[in-house]
Amino acid sequence: DQQVKQNSPSLSVQEGRISILNCDYTNSMFDYFLWYKKYPAEGPTFLISISSIKDKNEDGRFTVFLNKSAKHLSLHIVPSQPGDSAVYFCAAPFLTGNQFYFGTGTSLTVIP
Amino acid sequence: DVKVTQSSRYLVKRTGEKVFLECVQDMDHENMFWYRQDPGLGLRLIYFSYDVKMKEKGDIPEGYSVSREKKERFSLILESASTNQTSTYLCATLSWSYEQYFGPGTRLTVT
Repeated sequence: DQQVKQNSPSLSVQEGRISILNCDYTNSMFDYFLWYKKYPAEGPTFLISISSIKDKNEDGRFTVFLNKSAKHLSLHIVPSQPGDSAVYFCAAPFLTGNQFYFGTGTSLTVIP
Repeated sequence: DVKVTQSSRYLVKRTGEKVFLECVQDMDHENMFWYRQDPGLGLRLIYFSYDVKMKEKGDIPEGYSVSREKKERFSLILESASTNQTSTYLCATLSWSYEQYFGPGTRLTVT
């Protein structure tokens, strides 16, 4: 059973516009979330995280929003750049942090 | 900078062969993980280890085993490779702040 879901497998956005990537989760015990970015033939790299005590975390062009009541988080990229084209995974650690649940990923294409 | 290295970037093996994938990290992290990544399925956890000689099954351990004899090294073993194990295998470590650091991945093809 998928505990972290990314329902959009792909997204295309014009350069300079906003990219919004969505993630839903089912387990209300999750209290920390991370976003990873993955280029082809490379391992995922950490992008940004958010704790459940916050509803927003910002790092430069990247902002993550958390709506605990809806069990939903989103990653906003503003402005989008062609170098942002990658697969984005959301993830949540569980229990002691030894178990991570990943979404299936959203492939973002930023069109120049 | 955390460095996670994997022994091979690309590997081609025959059905029935025993396959070893090695992962080495240089940051003294206790927790290490093996995932496989398949299109449309995201990252699925095969095994993880929270200490030397300790291991726990993840979501899809069937057909795999692991070995952690030293803290910095975590090996994934395919006892008898099958075509449905063709995938990209990713090794990762875990920092104290719950960030996972991934290796570059091994693209394994089983023919």
